[in-house]
Amino acid sequence: EADIYQTPRYLVIGTGKKITLECSQTMGHDKMYWYQQDPGMELHLIHYSYGVNSTEKGDLSSESTVSRIRTEHFPLTLESARPSHTSQYLCASSEKGYGNQPQHFGDGTRLSIL
Amino acid sequence: QQQVKQSPQSLIVQKGGIPIINCAYENTAFDYFPWYQQFPGKGPALLIAIRPDVSEKKEGRFTISFNKSAKQFSLHIMDSQPGDSATYFCAARTTGNQFYFGTGTSLTVIP
Repeated sequence: EADIYQTPRYLVIGTGKKITLECSQTMGHDKMYWYQQDPGMELHLIHYSYGVNSTEKGDLSSESTVSRIRTEHFPLTLESARPSHTSQYLCASSEKGYGNQPQHFGDGTRLSIL
Repeated sequence: QQQVKQSPQSLIVQKGGIPIINCAYENTAFDYFPWYQQFPGKGPALLIAIRPDVSEKKEGRFTISFNKSAKQFSLHIMDSQPGDSATYFCAARTTGNQFYFGTGTSLTVIP
């Protein structure tokens, strides 16, 4: 079983608050990803990182930001939460290379903005 | 634009049946095709994966069939069990190591 952890699991918070979703992995994976998951929709990539100090935006436009100061840690921050940010956020990681390296997912953070 | 199209959206089968979930893609740069299984409250977990130079791969009761010329691949679950009830996602990876996911299929296996 993959060792990738997300906290909090659930968060209900008011509009305008600053939020940080935590993601940590103990596998030493270079690549990490954040996805947004809504019911009946595909997972949308919002940010990814190929290593320390490397971050890129994904296909889905997002008002969030990420940082990658340590290999194992990839937090996502919303400076001012809005109801449109309500969703499930999934963090994933994968090994370096272009072989059969799947992504390993955390159990997600379900975020509700009131 | 959706890169990977998945069907059906939901599927109900009797125990012992063989549910089949289909996915199609257009981008010939995809080089790796994993399937994920997701239970409520959990993240997706890798189930089985295939590369486009192989037409079929089996792992236990799960089989991927891959048709490169048609740009289609499918998941078959043999002798399905109630414990297989979950949401299944197909995915495709580009040579640039970006993953694109289908919209998911909710499978219910009735005892």
